[in-house]
Amino acid sequence: AQSVAQPEDQVNVAEGNPLTVKCTYSVSGNPYLFWYVQYPNRGLQFLLKYITGDNLVKGSYGFEAEFNKSQTSFHLKKPSALVSDSALYFCAVRDPITGGGNKLTFGTGTQLKVEL
Amino acid sequence: DSGVTQTPKHLITATGQRVTLRCSPRSGDLSVYWYQQSLDQGLQFLIQYYNGEERAKGNILERFSAQQFPDLHSELNLSSLELGDSALYFCASSWTSGLTDTQYFGPGTRLTVL
Repeated sequence: AQSVAQPEDQVNVAEGNPLTVKCTYSVSGNPYLFWYVQYPNRGLQFLLKYITGDNLVKGSYGFEAEFNKSQTSFHLKKPSALVSDSALYFCAVRDPITGGGNKLTFGTGTQLKVEL
Repeated sequence: DSGVTQTPKHLITATGQRVTLRCSPRSGDLSVYWYQQSLDQGLQFLIQYYNGEERAKGNILERFSAQQFPDLHSELNLSSLELGDSALYFCASSWTSGLTDTQYFGPGTRLTVL
């Protein structure tokens, strides 16, 4: 089965500074990786995904992620953090299931706190 | 707004009861997924339907069942509820059942079992 790990429960960064939220993966076959963000009392919002091709993936709200095959990582980045980016971030991997179905397997989440 | 709708937003009920959660996928999406989010288990996949048929099952309890109707909306039925079933239940949809399709999530239903 596929899995992802988010080694940091919380990341603190000052507004205007670059931010990185880490994710490593373990897959058999091609990795299909996703980032989602969850604001308080809201659903999960899709940010970006890596399927194939360019290792730098650009997504919503100025976020991007770097796919690194040798380090099996898919870190989420933003050049300049905003207070409004404070939320819970989830890395996920698409996990095929016998019979033709599939699911998302999520990491444990990283709480991002951006302070003034 | 993802285009996925879920009702109700909140549900408070007692142990032993049965509830039904409803999900309407994005227009044109054929696949519906159900997930449970709890503090101790994190985000867990429950079940997937594609065009009315069950396609994949996760760690879904026997007390839980789901279906997808001809108009593609889906319902998750939870019965004989226990305190531990209290959680946020998400529905997601995607265009097909392909591995590269993005799953778009609804706002969730918060279930509280007292």
